[in-house]
Amino acid sequence: EVQLVESGGGLVQPGGSLRLSCAASGFTFNNYTMNWVRQAPGKGLEWLSDISFSSRTVNYAESVKGRFTISRDNAKNSLFLQMNSLRVDDTAVYYCVRKKFGPDCLDSWGQGILVTVSS
Amino acid sequence: DIQMTQSPSSLSASVGDRVTITCRASQGISNYLAWYQHKPGKSPTLLMYATSILQPGVPSRFRGSGSGRDFTLTIVSLQPEDVATYYCQKYNSAPWAFGPGTKVAIK
Repeated sequence: EVQLVESGGGLVQPGGSLRLSCAASGFTFNNYTMNWVRQAPGKGLEWLSDISFSSRTVNYAESVKGRFTISRDNAKNSLFLQMNSLRVDDTAVYYCVRKKFGPDCLDSWGQGILVTVSS
Repeated sequence: DIQMTQSPSSLSASVGDRVTITCRASQGISNYLAWYQHKPGKSPTLLMYATSILQPGVPSRFRGSGSGRDFTLTIVSLQPEDVATYYCQKYNSAPWAFGPGTKVAIK
């Protein structure tokens, strides 16, 4: 069974930093592109970033480009999101998501973790 | 970047009704379109991809159609467990944008 478990969320002040982690199990992690998607309170889903299986290719949404960095450690079956210069509007539930093998859609989602940016 | 829109933003229908949600891309995306279901308190799930291919386990009352810029998600006979917000997503190229969502409720 595919499992994606996020950690590292919490309360942070505006301008601060936070690092999210995602522990993957139940599949061959180093075969899959991985993503981060978020949902702000009362808002829809927002795709943030993805990273290819080899880390060779990464993409970012404009809203986080230059502030967030995605990375992975295939030896530890882990995905990360380093979030810097956090703003109040970064407050959201953040999901770790696997990209389907073949079509580039998102077939397995973690339970999500809340990040609150507030003074 | 390609933008995705959806209509309506919300709807309310009776059990057994046929429900249709539309999704439009600002530019053509061929058939690189997926639909997701997001139930309250749960994580989103993939319903279908390539416009109309159902993920395993998804009931056949869910149907997708369209190509190019205009796409449709149809629930042939709405069930109580279909209460959720539905999102389209384009995946022809990054950024992999979602539509704003359509909230489906039971009347």
